[in-house]
Amino acid sequence: QVQLVESGGGVVQPGRSLRLSCAASGFTFSSYGMHWVRQAPGKGLEWVAVIWYDGSNKYYADSVKGRFTISRDNSKNTLYLQMNSLRAEDTAVYYCARNRAAGDPDAFDIWGQGTMVTVSS
Amino acid sequence: SYVLTQPPSVSVAPGQTARITCGGNNIGSKSVHWYQQKPGQAPVLVVYDDSDRPSGIPERFSGSNSGNTATLTISRVEAGDEADYYCQVWDSSSDHGVFGTGTKVTVL
Repeated sequence: QVQLVESGGGVVQPGRSLRLSCAASGFTFSSYGMHWVRQAPGKGLEWVAVIWYDGSNKYYADSVKGRFTISRDNSKNTLYLQMNSLRAEDTAVYYCARNRAAGDPDAFDIWGQGTMVTVSS
Repeated sequence: SYVLTQPPSVSVAPGQTARITCGGNNIGSKSVHWYQQKPGQAPVLVVYDDSDRPSGIPERFSGSNSGNTATLTISRVEAGDEADYYCQVWDSSSDHGVFGTGTKVTVL
């Protein structure tokens, strides 16, 4: 079945780095754009970043631009989020989500279960 | 940056109709998507492109979008519809995804 599984979350000190992964299965990963979305404890959803199906375009929320990098390996059906210079306000559940269309950003039709990132000393 | 505003909460009796609004500047010119999120779970897409439903989503869920307001309508509300609901658009002027503030639907 169509599935996204995130991993790599954990507790990290402020200023340190962490890399999240999202393993895709059950669909042709290389045909879809992918997003990262996060949710701080008790808060709403916040879009983080998008990458086109072929990696040709990437866009970031202002809150993470210059610190986070989205990437993908279509040969491994895996999406990544490299998070550097982490801050307390980056503490959240991080979801990967599939873009419904192959091209321009559209609805997020498939979501992973999320991975928790806690930034604390 | 583009802002989407939703009412914090909506209460509805079983069998009645719940309407959740999503306000944004000229939102009628954008494609609006809606997500349902139950506690401890990932969001689920319930309406896309203003009014289309993914397979498996009941016909009780419908959407509309015009002017400065998009609306998600849940007809014949059931206890299982109790959840947080978020609207979402893609802001092409900034190349950013934008979520609404979220609405908690309570079934009385």
